[in-house]
Amino acid sequence: EAGVVQSPRYKIIEKKQPVAFWCNPISGHNTLYWYRQNLGQGPELLIRYENEEAVDDSQLPKDRFSAERLKGVDSTLKIQPAELGDSAVYLCASSTGTGNNEQFFGPGTRLTVL
Amino acid sequence: GDSVTQMEGPVTLSEEAFLTINCTYTATGYPSLFWYVQYPGEGLQLLLKATKADDKGSNKGFEATYRKETTSFHLEKGSVQVSDSAVYFCALIPFSGAGSYQLTFGKGTKLSVIP
Repeated sequence: EAGVVQSPRYKIIEKKQPVAFWCNPISGHNTLYWYRQNLGQGPELLIRYENEEAVDDSQLPKDRFSAERLKGVDSTLKIQPAELGDSAVYLCASSTGTGNNEQFFGPGTRLTVL
Repeated sequence: GDSVTQMEGPVTLSEEAFLTINCTYTATGYPSLFWYVQYPGEGLQLLLKATKADDKGSNKGFEATYRKETTSFHLEKGSVQVSDSAVYFCALIPFSGAGSYQLTFGKGTKLSVIP
């Protein structure tokens, strides 16, 4: 069974440019998470989806970040415009539900903003 | 709020040495506790977990015991291998209520095992 797929793996952009990350969760996983991992830190949740609904986006910086999960499968996370401080690894995870259900992580997208 | 504190790395050990990575937590109630591992170039993988006090999680020779009295979940392995070189993250999920899905991670501890 395929794991969580993310693309691109690496992205280098200049500040003020837009960028988008794509995630394909494990088949059948209705819960999808986006995390941001700064250098030397643990991941921090940005947004959680239950199917196509964003049920918790309280930690998503809404002035420049947006996300969508059309049809409740793939998801896209966008930053527009990017700032220097957005340089980080963006991780996508999925699970069959919430609570103690194991979250399966993708390899992440490493974003560098110059 | 909930938080996880791990020992700072990096940790460098010789092959077959004993490993301990300390983890303590702050949380209300009875959280579930996890250790995740991140190998170079890969995503985080669940290594082991424990959901109630005195539970012992184990996998691939690693063990951790949920100690409520000391709010700890230290990771141990009796004999490390070069292939164990990775970054290890301690994490928790609150027991119930709002946020009961949200993993809170420590900062991670990088382990390097040399032959």
